[in-house]
Amino acid sequence: AQKVTQAQTEISVVEKEDVTLDCVYETRDTTYYLFWYKQPPSGELVFLIRRNSFDEQNEISGRYSWNFQKSTSSFNFTITASQVVDSAVYFCALSDELDTGRRALTFGSGTRLQVQP
Amino acid sequence: EAGVAQSPRYKIIEKRQSVAFWCNPISGHATLYWYQQILGQGPKLLIQFQNNGVVDDSQLPKDRFSAERLKGVDSTLKIQPAKLEDSAVYLCASSLRSFEQYFGPGTRLTVT
Repeated sequence: AQKVTQAQTEISVVEKEDVTLDCVYETRDTTYYLFWYKQPPSGELVFLIRRNSFDEQNEISGRYSWNFQKSTSSFNFTITASQVVDSAVYFCALSDELDTGRRALTFGSGTRLQVQP
Repeated sequence: EAGVAQSPRYKIIEKRQSVAFWCNPISGHATLYWYQQILGQGPKLLIQFQNNGVVDDSQLPKDRFSAERLKGVDSTLKIQPAKLEDSAVYLCASSLRSFEQYFGPGTRLTVT
């Protein structure tokens, strides 16, 4: 069965520090998708990135970067020069069993990031 | 482009009462999902629709939860009768051909 583990329950940093959020996943499928979502205090889940299992290139988008390593089943998320607006709960998620038409996301338990001014 | 709409935003009911939530997905999105998010946890899928057909309802507690998407557009999720453990945020999401799911603001349900 699929599983996503976010071992860091809560992280607190001071503004401008870099921070990495860890994500480890388990799946028996060879084709799958990984995601990161942000959930600010307002509650709405905001899509950040999707990565498919065949694309191990790291990605950078502004202050955000993602490191996908299939060999360790990890998909880590780094925020460079953190800002107070980055304070939120961040979820890593997995979508597999794609040949069944099922598209459900299996979420980790989330990491709460607090950025102090 | 308008996002996923949900109503109501908040609902407080007593146990054994019934409640219904409504979701209107992003225009043109064929796939619609309902998730339950208990405080401190990640969302968990309840049901996935493709147009007006059910693709996955394996985690839906069918003795008390029901959902429909009659015209392949908006959807309703119902709980009858509610239990205390149903207190959660109910999230609706939709997706097009790509795999990104876009979420609505959610309905926060409190069962007392």
